[in-house]
Parts: sequence; structure tokens; C-alpha cells
Amino acid sequence: KNQVEQSPQSLIILEGKNCTLQCNYTVSPFSNLRWYKQDTGRGPVSLTIMTFSENTKSNGRYTATLDADTKQSSLHITASQLSDSASYICVVTPRGTNAGKSTFGDGTTLTVKP
Amino acid sequence: DARVTQTPRHKVTEMGQEVTMRCQPILGHNTVFWYRQTMMQGLELLAYFRNRAPLDDSGMPKDRFSAEMPDATLATLKIQPSEPRDSAVYFCASGLVPDGDIATNEKLFFGSGTQLSVL
Repeated sequence: KNQVEQSPQSLIILEGKNCTLQCNYTVSPFSNLRWYKQDTGRGPVSLTIMTFSENTKSNGRYTATLDADTKQSSLHITASQLSDSASYICVVTPRGTNAGKSTFGDGTTLTVKP
Repeated sequence: DARVTQTPRHKVTEMGQEVTMRCQPILGHNTVFWYRQTMMQGLELLAYFRNRAPLDDSGMPKDRFSAEMPDATLATLKIQPSEPRDSAVYFCASGLVPDGDIATNEKLFFGSGTQLSVL
């Protein structure tokens, strides 16, 4: 069964600090991995999308890495801001299918405190 | 900015009533998804459409849920009759997905969701 596991479940950091969120998956064969940010009461917003041939992708202060061999991804947030407080969701899509077959992680809830 | 619009934002109803949620995808997008999000289950895919044709609704309880796309600018998700366990946030998302059923790096855009409470 395809699974996506995220850690930690929740995280509290001080404004200005860096943090790294983890995503481990068992989806195979793998096509792409996405990180979404979801603010409370809003829909998820795409941060990064990486295909199986990519191992890093940046979007401003967000940098995602991918190791397709170990089936692990991380999302690194640099110089955190209060507005980074949100849930971060990792989504993995199998190869040979469309996005409808994606598997979602349960998310990491990040709280950035002043 | 182009965005996915969902209505209503909030819906409170009584068990047994019919609920209809609407979604206006981004103009030009050919694929529309319906997701449900709860604290216990996270995000779950209910159904999706490509060029208005239903591709997969295996995630949807078919005895009470139905999804349609009467035209390219409107997708609907209907629950009849509604039950308390249907209480959740329902998201619509759209994207421009190439034909051929091959996964790509297409970007999906989510609406703000409909928060449904069935009493």
C-alpha cells in the first residue's frame, strides 16, 4: 500500500530560525513529489514540485530536497517568518498515473513564534 | 489573479438534507478534483474530471455522493442524504494536465474549501 509519512507531526520555532520537515514515502514507481502549504481555513498552496529526476527545488525561502533511492524528501525553511505558521503537506504521485492517484501525508503543523 | 472559487464557504445542515457544493475552476484548466479533509483522515480524493468527463470517483460513497461537471466553468458535489459523518472541509482543485494519463509536474490550484457541518 502506498504511504506517505511526515515528521514531526508538529513543530514550534522562533521567528528567524531555520527548520526542516521530513517526508518518507513508499510510493513506487515514483513520478513526482509535491510540498504544499496550508494556512488555517484555506486550501493548500503548491510550494514545490519535483519529478523523480530532480533532487532539489527552491521557492524563495523554501527548499525541497529529494532522495529517490531512500524515498525521502525534506522541506527546509530558512529565516522563518510568522506567516510561515501553517500545515505543510507532502504529496507523492506514482509514475504512469495522473495526479488523481496521489497519496497525501498527514502534514506537519509549524508554529513560528515571535 | 486566477483562482478556484468555491461556494458556499460554510454550510450547516441537518442530517438527511441535501447539500450541494459548487466549484468554479480556473479558466482553461482541464482537470478538476474534489477532496475531503478531516482531522482524522487528512486529505482524501473523492473524484476527478478530465475535460469534464469523470475519470475516477472510487473515493466517493456512491450511494449518497454524486459529482458532475455540467460545463467547463462549474463542478458540483452533491450529498443526498447528508449524515453527520460527512462533516468535513471539501476542497476543489483544478489544473492543466496533459492528455495521456501520464503524471507530470502540473501545478494544482485549490479553492478555499466548503466547511460542511451536518447536525
